[in-house]
Amino acid sequence: NAGVTQTPKFRVLKTGQSMTLLCAQDMNHEYMYWYRQDPGMGLRLIHYSVGEGTTAKGEVPDGYNVSRLKKQNFLLGLESAAPSQTSVYFCASSTRQFATNEKLFFGSGTQLSVL
Amino acid sequence: SQKIEQNSEALNIQEGKTATLTCNYTNYSPAYLQWYRQDPGRGPVFLLLIRENEKEKRKERLKVTFDTTLKQSLFHITASQPADSATYLCALDTGGFKTIFGAGTRLFVKA
Repeated sequence: NAGVTQTPKFRVLKTGQSMTLLCAQDMNHEYMYWYRQDPGMGLRLIHYSVGEGTTAKGEVPDGYNVSRLKKQNFLLGLESAAPSQTSVYFCASSTRQFATNEKLFFGSGTQLSVL
Repeated sequence: SQKIEQNSEALNIQEGKTATLTCNYTNYSPAYLQWYRQDPGRGPVFLLLIRENEKEKRKERLKVTFDTTLKQSLFHITASQPADSATYLCALDTGGFKTIFGAGTRLFVKA
């Protein structure tokens, strides 16, 4: 049981380049999330999905796009990378019980540097 | 806007003592609050969830309190061990499907 798997673990981009971060979960969770973590600022929600085929904006969505074509996968895209997007990116998933969110399961993160 | 505040300064304690971490929030009334542990280079790992109608929750050496009047949660680790050294994150729901996090407090337990 792998849980939440993120690829790649590290990536260096030049300004203006594009890339896609992949997230896969094998727990049959409905909800999936993308966060970024910066020093002193904590985790900030970029986009999230409440089910296959759905996506919604979080706190800091600008410069990112997402897709949830399959329930187990949630992709985060950077169309034109900027140095301000240098960060550690975490994918998470959760199930839903009694109309409230339960705990989040996180991947191990992707360290992205944009030069 | 809503804020979550955790001590930005690291907490240093001696092995065997009780570590107490604080989480304060403003401008919201969450239905529940969570605590996570994060080790360097790893993703956060869930520890405990406490709901607004619960004053206290325990799990082994961990204890969490939730005071909705003070808008504060306290996280205690009793009989602390060097292996407890990590960053601890407070998180709360914002309604709907979103969870927001504090910046975390680093804990160092000295042998």
